Amino acid sequence: DTEVTQTPKHLVMGMTNKKSLKCEQHMGHRAMYWYKQKAKKPPELMFVYSYEKLSINESVPSRFSPECPNSSLLNLHLHALQPEDSALYLCASSQDRGTGGPAFHGYTFGSGTRLTVV
Amino acid sequence: SQQGEEDPQALSIQEGENATMNCSYKTSINNLQWYRQNSGRGLVHLILIRSNEREKHSGRLRVTLDTSKKSSSLLITASRAADTASYFCATVLNTGGFKTIFGAGTRLFVKA
Repeated sequence: DTEVTQTPKHLVMGMTNKKSLKCEQHMGHRAMYWYKQKAKKPPELMFVYSYEKLSINESVPSRFSPECPNSSLLNLHLHALQPEDSALYLCASSQDRGTGGPAFHGYTFGSGTRLTVV
Repeated sequence: SQQGEEDPQALSIQEGENATMNCSYKTSINNLQWYRQNSGRGLVHLILIRSNEREKHSGRLRVTLDTSKKSSSLLITASRAADTASYFCATVLNTGGFKTIFGAGTRLFVKA
């Protein structure tokens, strides 16, 4: 069982809808990530939060809005998405850089949310 | 092309055979990691090899690292049907310490 929990597992939304993806971890990790993965491709980094502050935004369109309410939770708010945004969205967590970060300890991934935009 | 390229792209073997996957990267690294992803699910961390290590074992997994050639290999011995998955190598860029580049992945299919 993964220690990073993502909900929902599947989501179908229209292009005018507003929805949110949720991610929760209780491992005490202070870095949390959103990745996007298209079929048969590797994960692509979208956002990184470090100590609840946005550290990296990989030039993601504003229709994706991340939020980190506390050290255990990470949300991704979705609005006015396009069909090409359909993908598997993965949340991950890691120790922060001060204790080695993902370079020395790796990531723990959630099982992902399969998003379909119609 | 991206940091972390893997070959083969796909590999089909019989149960009990060994599977070898290769990864090449471009920049200097601290460590290199391997992950497994079952279809449509999250990635699972398998093993991390540090830049000053040449070989590392974990159960049926053996990872090698050649920093002079900027390459790594993952060997799965005595494969099982349950090993069917995609395997990705990953390197964390030295700049910032958060950005990881994943290889394109090798899709392994183990036939029972």
